[in-house]
Order: sequence, then structure tokens, then C-alpha cells
Amino acid sequence: AQTVTQSQPEMSVQEAETVTLSCTYDTSENNYYLFWYKQPPSRQMILVIRQEAYKQQNATENRFSVNFQKAAKSFSLKISDSQLGDTAMYFCAFMSAGGTSYGKLTFGQGTILTVHP
Amino acid sequence: DAGVIQSPRHEVTEMGQEVTLRCKPISGHDYLFWYRQTMMRGLELLIYFNNNVPIDDSGMPEDRFSAKMPNASFSTLKIQPSEPRDSAVYFCASSLGARGSPLHFGNGTRLTVT
Repeated sequence: AQTVTQSQPEMSVQEAETVTLSCTYDTSENNYYLFWYKQPPSRQMILVIRQEAYKQQNATENRFSVNFQKAAKSFSLKISDSQLGDTAMYFCAFMSAGGTSYGKLTFGQGTILTVHP
Repeated sequence: DAGVIQSPRHEVTEMGQEVTLRCKPISGHDYLFWYRQTMMRGLELLIYFNNNVPIDDSGMPEDRFSAKMPNASFSTLKIQPSEPRDSAVYFCASSLGARGSPLHFGNGTRLTVT
């Protein structure tokens, strides 16, 4: 079974600064997908970014980018120019590309990010 | 696109009562998931369906929990009888089953069992 580990329970950053959230995962599969979701106080789960394991290029969505290191099984999220609205719990998640686990997400424990003015 | 719709948003009930949570997935999505979120255990997958058929229910904690998907636009998660330890936020999510499609989540139901 796959596991996802987020080793930082809480992080904080000043507005306009850059912050990086860490995520590692364990799998024996070669092909899979990785995601970051954001959960603000409203508790809605919002997709931030998606990465395909067979693509070496790191995914980017506006101020959000990832550093995907397949060999190290690491998938960190970088938030540039942090905004107050980025304050939320951030979850890293793994999805198999096939087999009996296809389609479902396995989540890490989450990192609470607070952006200070 | 209305997104995934869950009801109720909040539910408070007494121990021993039956609780039914409801979910309407995004139209056209063929996967539906029920997750539970607690402080202690984080986000856990309870059960998921593909084309209305349960694929994996290994996360359902006990026989008190049951889920159905009678058609492509509706699913229920039922707890009978409810217990205080069932208190959690329950999320429904749906996805289009193409490879790597992200899950789209509803706003969740916060269940409190007293």
C-alpha cells in the first residue's frame, strides 16, 4: 500500500514571501499521479496542482509550483508571493495509475500554513 | 457546473440514531468516493464506486456503515446506529475516470453524535 508523509505539521510565512511545503511518498509503482489540495477554513477541498510521474517537467500553476524528485520520492510545493488567502491546510496526495487502487487518492496528514500580514 | 453537492452541511444527532448523508456527483463523472476526516486519522477513504458499482469498501469501519449508489446522480452513506466516535466531517468526491483525473470534492457534512 502507498503511504504519503508530510513532516511539517505547521508552517508560517510573511505575506509576499515564498514558502515550501514538503511531501514524501512510498510506492513500488513506476507510474502514478501526485496532487496538492488546499483546505481553507471553509473546509472545502480545492485542487492546487497535479503532477504526472512520467513527466520530468515540474508542474506550475501561477504562484504554485512543485519540485518533483521521482528517485527520492519527494513532491514539495512552493508558493511564491504568498497571500493572506493562501492560509489553509495543505494536503499532498497520491493516485495509482492502474491496478486495484486506480482512481482513489491517498492523503498525507496535512500541513497548516499561516500567512502573516 | 454546480460541483459536487452534499447534504446536509451539518448534522447533530443522538447516539443510536440513524444518520443518512447524501451526495450528488458532478454530471458525467463515473467515480464517486466517500471520505471521512478526523483530527486523529486525517482523511480516510471509506468506499468508492465506479459506474454505480462499489469497487472497494475496505475502509468502511464497521457494519454500522453502509453506502449505496442507486444511479449515476445520487449516493448515500448511512450510519445505523450512530456512535459518538462517528463524529467527523464526511466528504463526497467525484471524478471522471480518465487516468489521473483529480477528485472534485463537495463541501462536506459535519456530523456530531452526542
